[in-house]
Amino acid sequence: ETGVTQTPRHLVMGMTNKKSLKCEQHLGHNAMYWYKQSAKKPLELMFVYNFKEQTENNSVPSRFSPECPNSSHLFLHLHTLQPEDSALYLCASSEQGTGNYEQYFGPGTRLTVT
Amino acid sequence: QKEVEQNSGPLSVPEGAIASLNCTYSDRGSQSFFWYRQYSGKSPELIMSIYSNGDKEDGRFTAQLNKASQYVSLLIRDSQPSDSATYLCAVGGSQGNLIFGKGTKLSVKP
Repeated sequence: ETGVTQTPRHLVMGMTNKKSLKCEQHLGHNAMYWYKQSAKKPLELMFVYNFKEQTENNSVPSRFSPECPNSSHLFLHLHTLQPEDSALYLCASSEQGTGNYEQYFGPGTRLTVT
Repeated sequence: QKEVEQNSGPLSVPEGAIASLNCTYSDRGSQSFFWYRQYSGKSPELIMSIYSNGDKEDGRFTAQLNKASQYVSLLIRDSQPSDSATYLCAVGGSQGNLIFGKGTKLSVKP
């Protein structure tokens, strides 16, 4: 266990559904991240939150909406997704969001859009 | 576009041998470098970080960094079947994220 938890671990949703992914870190870190991992592609950064402020939105479609109520919790709200959004969604945290700090990943949510 | 390149493999080594994994990166200004291990169906697990030129050893793992050549490597000594996984090279990005390579799949044969 890395100290980063994610729920749910698996999610199947239709294209018209609304769902949310949750991430919680117990490491006392100040930065949290959402990454997407698709087959045959490198991990792709989606969002960065540093001290609860969003510091990066990596050209992610608006059907993905992040929320960071405090430094320990991160959500990813999903609505009207497409089948190509099926992937492993990974949350990570680090001491600060400068890219020079070690990032620790949660177990991920395997999302299938039908 | 900042890139991290890895040979996708698979790299196959016999049990007890040294496995050598290599990575090159495009951003000459990069300062931080990481190796992650990812078992099939699992999330990436940090195994090494390195920030200065030279070698860094941790148990059976040695990370090597050469900033002039923009090259970072991971050596695994006395490879075990349990080391069979995909190894991801990551470089600290200016956006606060990590830029990942596609990973090298390692297979250690008993």
